Amino acid sequence: ELKVEQNPLFLSMQEGKNYTIYCNYSTTSDRLYWYRQDPGKSLESLFVLLSNGAVKQEGRLMASLDTKARLSTLHITAAVHDLSATYFCAVGFFMNRDDKIIFGKGTRLHILP
Amino acid sequence: GAGVSQTPSNKVTEKGKYVELRCDPISGHTALYWYRQSLGQGPEFLIYFQGTGAADDSGLPNDRFFAVRPEGSVSTLKIQRTERGDSAVYLCASSLTGWGEQYFGPGTRLTVT
Repeated sequence: ELKVEQNPLFLSMQEGKNYTIYCNYSTTSDRLYWYRQDPGKSLESLFVLLSNGAVKQEGRLMASLDTKARLSTLHITAAVHDLSATYFCAVGFFMNRDDKIIFGKGTRLHILP
Repeated sequence: GAGVSQTPSNKVTEKGKYVELRCDPISGHTALYWYRQSLGQGPEFLIYFQGTGAADDSGLPNDRFFAVRPEGSVSTLKIQRTERGDSAVYLCASSLTGWGEQYFGPGTRLTVT
């Protein structure tokens, strides 16, 4: 069964702190996406990770991919209130023309001023 | 440039009726995707088009759902005999190439009464 699990699902943290969101998936994949969603809005693409060991950074966010461990992380450095949102990882599964993307349940991040 | 647009933004319909949801992708994007998102959940993949053809429709929940992209640009998601369980936000995304970075539209909120 194809599964994508994120944890934690809810995270409340202080400004200035560091934290990591984890995304585990069940079957081999080499395409991993991270998105941000603000309340009542659509999804904004953050990162696309395409190979084992890939690391991408944008501002205070850094994403990495370990395909052998079937794990991606989204690391937040020195959090600021503007980063409060829901973060989704999504994994691409490509199998003999049965291609699909499966999203995790999302991590609702609340950063306290 | 213009992003992905979706119309209508909101649609309220009665159980049993037929609805059409439209998506205009970013110009030049060959790949187009439909998802639906229920409150508090991650998006659920429905169908993926590469050009005019449905490359993968394995996510369509049943035969009441159908999508077309006749000229490789605009796509329409069609739902027959709507049910209350179809109520959700329907999201469309496009990417330059298949399974590349996806840009999401604002979504259509469908409510079936």
